[in-house]
Amino acid sequence: DAGVIQSPRHEVTEMGQEVTLRCKPISGHDYLFWYRQTMMRGLELLIYFNNNVPIDDSGMPEDRFSAKMPNASFSTLKIQPSEPRDSAVYFCASSLGQGARAFFGQGTRLTVV
Amino acid sequence: GIQVEQSPPDLILQEGANSTLRCNFSDSVNNLQWFHQNPWGQLINLFYIPSGTKQNGRLSATTVATERYSLLYISSSQTTDSGVYFCAVEHRATDSWGKLQFGAGTQVVVTP
Repeated sequence: DAGVIQSPRHEVTEMGQEVTLRCKPISGHDYLFWYRQTMMRGLELLIYFNNNVPIDDSGMPEDRFSAKMPNASFSTLKIQPSEPRDSAVYFCASSLGQGARAFFGQGTRLTVV
Repeated sequence: GIQVEQSPPDLILQEGANSTLRCNFSDSVNNLQWFHQNPWGQLINLFYIPSGTKQNGRLSATTVATERYSLLYISSSQTTDSGVYFCAVEHRATDSWGKLQFGAGTQVVVTP
């Protein structure tokens, strides 16, 4: 299996622009997670889905962030408008079953200038 | 919420040395996982270990859930073991099911 695939690997954008991050989970996995990693806050969960349905989005920092999972093999995390403080590494992870072993993608390093 | 504390925060090892990393958590958990983030930023799942002991090559882990801690052992360390080791737990509280809470990590540097 190819593992969790994220794109792009790096993204540099100007403040105010829309950013879309993409994730393909491991085939057959029914849970998908979006995490953000910063030096100040470490790894924090933004939102997670079960069977394509958002279950908990309490970690989404504000309304500028939105996430969708239109099917079992694809999810997006969108930031609109982006701000410099959104600069971070964004990880997608998936697992088979609740509380099961989680596998992470390689991350997207986002820089907002 | 649950607190996850890892120690030590930083560790420098000479190649071939052994070491123990610790993860303490403040409440009951459904599961616990150890991850290694390599210098390129990739997060690798090392162990899924809600209780008991597991071994994977030169690495092993032990979780004592009743005493709320887990240990990760690195034996005969190699330079490729460098990186940050994270402990992550799923709090047993019902509003935390499915969520992994990460500790701050232990930064390990293995020198030749």
